[in-house]
Order: sequence, then C-alpha cells, then structure tokens
Amino acid sequence: DAGITQSPRHKVTETGTPVTLRCHQTENHRYMYWYRQDPGHGLRLIHYSYGVKDTDKGEVSDGYSVSRSKTEDFLLTLESATSSQTSVYFCAISGEGLGGTQYFGPGTRLLVL
Amino acid sequence: GENVEQHPSTLSVQEGDSAVIKCTYSDSASNYFPWYKQELGKRPQLIIDIRSNVGEKKDQRIAVTLNKTAKHFSLHITETQPEDSAVYFCAASYAGNMLTFGGGTRLMVKP
Repeated sequence: DAGITQSPRHKVTETGTPVTLRCHQTENHRYMYWYRQDPGHGLRLIHYSYGVKDTDKGEVSDGYSVSRSKTEDFLLTLESATSSQTSVYFCAISGEGLGGTQYFGPGTRLLVL
Repeated sequence: GENVEQHPSTLSVQEGDSAVIKCTYSDSASNYFPWYKQELGKRPQLIIDIRSNVGEKKDQRIAVTLNKTAKHFSLHITETQPEDSAVYFCAASYAGNMLTFGGGTRLMVKP
C-alpha cells in the first residue's frame, strides 16, 4: 500500500459539531483527494488539492471544507456535521496529476448521530 | 462532464468460471481506464489499468479490453476463486480532468 494514513479511523459525533479528518502521505505526491462512499453511490469526490494551499471543489462539496498547509497533509472539515454526512471517507493521492492513477488511504468511518 | 456506467451491479459465479464486468463512458477524450477492487471494509485497490493506445492488457487471471469506438471497456477475470469476491469499480479520465468512477459491481464467487 502507498504510504497513506487517515485519522481517526472511526468516529462517532453529534449533529452540529465540527469534525476534522486528516490524511497524511509519505509519498510526496502533489495531488490529494477526499471522497465519500455511500451504498448505491459509489465513490464521490468532495474536494481535491493540486498543491500546497491549492484546493478545489468536487462533486459533493457542500458542507465540507479542506486545507492543505503542507504537502503531506490534507484536512477535511465538516463544519457542522449532519446525519447525511454519515459515511466512509477515503483520501487518495496521485503523483501523475489530475486524471492519473490514484491510491487510496484506509478510510475513516464517520457516524453522525 | 464524464459519465461512467457500470454493469452488472451484482454478479454471482461458480468458482472456476469467468466473470466479465462492463463499463461505458461518455467523453471520447478519456484515455485512462483503471479498475479497482474493494474487499469488505477495506480501501479500493488498483488491480489493473489501461490507456487508450492499447486495446487489451493482461495480468495473470485478469484482463481489461478497451473499445474506443464504442466507448466501452471491460474487466475479465478467469478461473475465479473465492478470494476474488469483492466490489469492483471502473473509472475513466483524461489528463487534467478528474477520475470518474462507475457505480461498482459486487462479485460473489461461490465455492
């Protein structure tokens, strides 16, 4: 597996609270992505980054923000968690650029009560 | 934008049989087509990919074929084994554009 870790791996939180998920890579790849995976919806892109401080929105970005202050870390924040954000969140990295091969982290399972 | 459709959504085969999963894409500019395997509770893992300058690629029991004219590509698994049971995702992209994923196929290999 590529050198990608996610933390926490599991989290239970309450509606209305902020939540931050972390993705850390040791591959020095420029591109990083956040996806959510839900039954019947496959993998949907939330946000992505193409360099330090360079981020953009994906398909399902409402209610989420991201930050990338270092090459190795990409943070996903749910500013006020809702039950609809209960999901499994995957981080991915790519050294080939947008549209290139992506390698996924182990995932974070988030439950919003 | 790109749209990727994947069929079937579920596939059940007997151990030793072949399995075929098909994907169609909408953007004729797409030139990179990876396939991912996701076991229960695990991350998606790249198993094979193909670029538009070739029509077929094999890796042991797994092969992918690409028909650019028809805009579809397929994953072929021969001599299936119980450990092939997983969800498989196809995807399509071109340089500078996002990977777009299909909806996934749950493959069940019955012993």
